[in-house]
Amino acid sequence: EVQLVESGGGLVQPGGSLRLSCAASGFTFSSYVMSWVRQAPGKGLEWVSAISGSGDITYYADSVKGRFTISRDNSKNTLYLQMNSLRAGDTAVYYCATIGESSGYYVGLFDYWGQGTLVTVSS
Amino acid sequence: EIVLTQSPATLSLSPGERATLSCRASQSISRYLAWYQQKPGQAPRLLIYDASNRATGIPARFSGSGSGTDFTLTISSLEPEDFAVYYCQQRSNWPPLTFGGGTKVEIK
Repeated sequence: EVQLVESGGGLVQPGGSLRLSCAASGFTFSSYVMSWVRQAPGKGLEWVSAISGSGDITYYADSVKGRFTISRDNSKNTLYLQMNSLRAGDTAVYYCATIGESSGYYVGLFDYWGQGTLVTVSS
Repeated sequence: EIVLTQSPATLSLSPGERATLSCRASQSISRYLAWYQQKPGQAPRLLIYDASNRATGIPARFSGSGSGTDFTLTISSLEPEDFAVYYCQQRSNWPPLTFGGGTKVEIK
């Protein structure tokens, strides 16, 4: 059974930093492209970032480029999101998700999701 | 960036009725469109991929159609558990991966 468990959310002041983690199990983690998606309170889904299976290729939404860094440790089956220079607009539930096997046909399809972790940016 | 526009924003229907949800892309995305269902306090769940393919375990009352720029999600007969928010998402041209704004299906 595929499981994705996020952690690391919490309350942080504007300008602060936070690192999210996503522990994966039940599948060959290193074979999958992984992604972060966020959802502000009462709002829709916003794609944040993605990373290739090997970790050598990364993608970011313009809204977080230069502030957030996605990474992964395939030896620990864990995905990370380092968030710096946080703003009130970054307040959201952050989900990690699989988006297909590397070099597979379904890259970009969100097939498995974690339960999310809430990040609140406020003074 | 490909923009996805969903309509209507809210659909008020009774159990047993048919629901028709629309998603329009700002440019052609072939059939690279997916639909997700989200219930309060839960993560989204994949329903339909590549416009018309049901994901594993999704009931047959859910169907998708369309290609190019216009897509439809149909729920043939609403069950109580189907009242939720539905999002479309494209993977034709990314980054960025983009979602529509969502359609809330509520009980009339």
